[in-house]
Amino acid sequence: QQPVQSPQAVILREGEDAVINCSSSKALYSVHWYRQKHGEAPVFLMILLKGGEQKGHEKISASFNEKKQQSSLYLTASQLSYSGTYFCGSRGLSGNTGKLIFGQGTTLQVKP
Amino acid sequence: DAGVIQSPRHEVTEMGQEVTLRCKPISGHDYLFWYRQTMMRGLELLIYFNNNVPIDDSGMPEDRFSAKMPNASFSTLKIQPSEPRDSAVYFCASSGGQGFHNQPQHFGDGTRLSIL
Repeated sequence: QQPVQSPQAVILREGEDAVINCSSSKALYSVHWYRQKHGEAPVFLMILLKGGEQKGHEKISASFNEKKQQSSLYLTASQLSYSGTYFCGSRGLSGNTGKLIFGQGTTLQVKP
Repeated sequence: DAGVIQSPRHEVTEMGQEVTLRCKPISGHDYLFWYRQTMMRGLELLIYFNNNVPIDDSGMPEDRFSAKMPNASFSTLKIQPSEPRDSAVYFCASSGGQGFHNQPQHFGDGTRLSIL
């Protein structure tokens, strides 16, 4: 089942902060975050594992709330280079655990 | 190190023709994924392989689509016959297998396919 991302789109000024949420109706083992710039391939940002929080990229961090089956991506002091579409991908606890299901994406635009 | 390599980068062909997309995963990665991306449907997983064996092909839209991985360094996605609704960007990705829950997927640059 596809995770749901919110908001669908965000427009920021340089230096502002943003939060992107990713929710699933099924129990999750891990959540992956990727960023895709226009015309390019998705690029890995970080992975959140069940029970853990990981900060992995520039001023971008994320959390994983197991009870809510939700992950949030935090972008602080945004830069122009943060613009792009952010995807979360979820892996379930059972079944085909090699499979990653991506959300519909959140488009982020950072303006000068 | 070389990343995931896909070819061709662009393909334009007429409806009914056979299309073959190619992918070379990162050396040592034992998972390979094929995705399709469109504005309407987003990023969809079509099929994935583990150690050259197809594990889940439930995302393959119909019998016109087929995928193979004859060895650890090569995979193909074939569409025969192609239709205009197959127009999309097709990505190949690979990842290491050990502890796959915390292994990132590395994407190739994609093949932009247009069926006229």
